[in-house]
Amino acid sequence: DAKTTQPPSMDCAEGRAANLPCNHSTISGNEYVYWYRQIHSQGPQYIIHGLKNNETNEMASLIITEDRKSSTLILPHATLRDTAVYYCIVRVEAAGNKLTFGGGTRVLVKP
Amino acid sequence: DAGVTQSPTHLIKTRGQHVTLRCSPISGHKSVSWYQQVLGQGPQFIFQYYEKEERGRGNFPDRFSARQFPNYSSELNVNALLLGDSALYLCASSLVPGARGTEAFFGQGTRLTVV
Repeated sequence: DAKTTQPPSMDCAEGRAANLPCNHSTISGNEYVYWYRQIHSQGPQYIIHGLKNNETNEMASLIITEDRKSSTLILPHATLRDTAVYYCIVRVEAAGNKLTFGGGTRVLVKP
Repeated sequence: DAGVTQSPTHLIKTRGQHVTLRCSPISGHKSVSWYQQVLGQGPQFIFQYYEKEERGRGNFPDRFSARQFPNYSSELNVNALLLGDSALYLCASSLVPGARGTEAFFGQGTRLTVV
C-alpha cells in the first residue's frame, strides 16, 4: 500500500467547513483513497473512498487531484461530534479489510 | 442490523498468561481482520481471514494466532502475554475481498491491560 502523509493536527470552528489534506505521491493506478475516522475509544468508522473522480456522501466530500498525488476530505459543516482522528489510507480494492493506518490527523472542532 | 461485535470489552491479564478475544462480523460478511492499537498510535494490522483461511499476516510474533469459524466469527489468541501487549484490539469485517464496496467495518474493540 502507498504511504500517506497527513498533518498531525488541526482545529476547526463549529459550523465551518473542515478541509483535511492528504499526500499520496506514490499511489498506483489501481489504488483507491479511503478515509476513516476514529472518535475517542471507539473503532474506526468508514467515511468515504474514491479512485479518481470526486465523491460525495452524507458525511463528507472527497476531492482527488487530477494527478492523484493528493486528496482533500471536506466536512461541510463541522460539529463538535466530528472531533476525531482522521486517517487517509490508499489501498487496492482487493485488500478488503486489510488496511495500513498512518498517524492520521487529530481534528478538534471548537465551539 | 447488528454491527461488528467484540467480546469482552475490557480485560485485565497478568504477564505470561494467555488471552482469547472474540469477534462476530456483520451478517453476510465473510472476511475478518484483526488490529492492535497501542495508545497514541494508529491501528496495526495483525491478521486477515477469509473463508476460514489466513489471507494475510502482519509483523507480529508467533505468540499471536487466530482462526475463523464456519459461521465466520473469529478468535484472536495471544500466548505468554507481555506488558507491551496492552492495547485496544480491533476486529473489522467486510464482504469478499476483491469485490466492489469492500469497505471495512470495525467493532468497538477489546481493551486489554497486561499487568
